[in-house]
Amino acid sequence: AQSVTQLDSQVPVFEEAPVELRCNYSSSVSVYLFWYVQYPNQGLQLLLKYLSGSTLVESINGFEAEFNKSQTSFHLRKPSVHISDTAEYFCAVSEIAGYSTLTFGKGTMLLVSP
Amino acid sequence: EAQVTQNPRYLITVTGKKLTVTCSQNMNHEYMSWYRQDPGLGLRQIYYSMNVEVTDKGDVPEGYKVSRKEKRNFPLILESPSPNQTSLYFCASSDRMNTEAFFGQGTRLTVV
Repeated sequence: AQSVTQLDSQVPVFEEAPVELRCNYSSSVSVYLFWYVQYPNQGLQLLLKYLSGSTLVESINGFEAEFNKSQTSFHLRKPSVHISDTAEYFCAVSEIAGYSTLTFGKGTMLLVSP
Repeated sequence: EAQVTQNPRYLITVTGKKLTVTCSQNMNHEYMSWYRQDPGLGLRQIYYSMNVEVTDKGDVPEGYKVSRKEKRNFPLILESPSPNQTSLYFCASSDRMNTEAFFGQGTRLTVV
């Protein structure tokens, strides 16, 4: 069975600073990887996903994540954050073969201050 | 517009009073699931359904029931709610088990 570890429960950062949210996963087989964002009082929205191909994936609002198979990581980065990026971010993994549901990490709260 | 709709958004109830949270999706997805979100615990899966009349337990099924009589609907039933079921609940759907899930807006349930 797969598992996900998000190493930081909270990441405080100033506006326009770079940020990295860390995600490590554990699985014995090949995986799909996802980042979701949850804004206050809202549901989860897909931010970006890795299914295959290029290991670097990007979102429309400037976030990117890189799949690193050797380190079993899928860290989320943004070079310059905005106040509006304040939200909780969830990393999720599923196994490509067989019956596998999404397994979520415990989330990282990104707090952007002016 | 593709969406997953949950109702109600907020609910306060008393211990032992049966309740149902409805979930409906308009994307013709085969796979649907229910999660609960608690501080520090992230999202934990309660039940999932791979298709009509096919349901199975997730990680935290105790105290919950589900049914899948139609493809678009997947209600969550709490026969006898208890205070430890106070939580934020999300319904999700996807075309396959292991691909991206689309989430509803959530139902905040308080059991007193």
